[in-house]
Amino acid sequence: KQEVTQIPAALSVPEGENLVLNCSFTDSAIYNLQWFRQDPGKGLTSLLLIQSSQREQTSGRLNASLDKSSGRSTLYIAASQPGDSATYLCAVRDSWGKLQFGAGTQVVVTP
Amino acid sequence: GAVVSQHPSRVICKSGTSVKIECRSLDFQATTMFWYRQFPKKSLMLMATSNEGSKATYEQGVEKDKFLINHASLTLSTLTVTSAHPEDSSFYICSARDGAGVGEQYFGPGTRLTVT
Repeated sequence: KQEVTQIPAALSVPEGENLVLNCSFTDSAIYNLQWFRQDPGKGLTSLLLIQSSQREQTSGRLNASLDKSSGRSTLYIAASQPGDSATYLCAVRDSWGKLQFGAGTQVVVTP
Repeated sequence: GAVVSQHPSRVICKSGTSVKIECRSLDFQATTMFWYRQFPKKSLMLMATSNEGSKATYEQGVEKDKFLINHASLTLSTLTVTSAHPEDSSFYICSARDGAGVGEQYFGPGTRLTVT
């Protein structure tokens, strides 16, 4: 059974620092991996989607890497801002289309 | 991107009553919709997968008689929590898939259910 782990569970950084969020999964037979952002009491906003054949995806200040063989993905957020404060979730999709989520990393960026 | 709505955004109900949550895909047809439950500071837990016009497939440990799912059209799925109890209080999120197979999933804004 696929298990997705996110470390750390919580992270606090001063504004301007780069953020590094880690996601690991136990079964490398994934279709793709997706990073989401969730604000308190809200739904999920998709940030980046990496297909299993890809090594990374970039969008603005966000960069996500994927090493399928080692079961790891890392989300980098450059030059963090207070507005980046949220919970970040990673999810892996299997070939049947099911998403398995990690528990998330709660990020606080202090001004 | 595609938009998924949920209604209501929050609901408070008394123990023993039933409550219905709607999930709509606004600008695309969703062959498949998913219902998730999220506990505080926990991951999303998939409850069930529903395909339009057929019975929902429930994940292990989810009571299908308690959480009734109907996916009557390509744009609407409903989750009814029957005979709700305080332990059913949670954040419920739906998502809809655009197309068959492994098309991208789009998530609704969630519904906060509180059972008193």
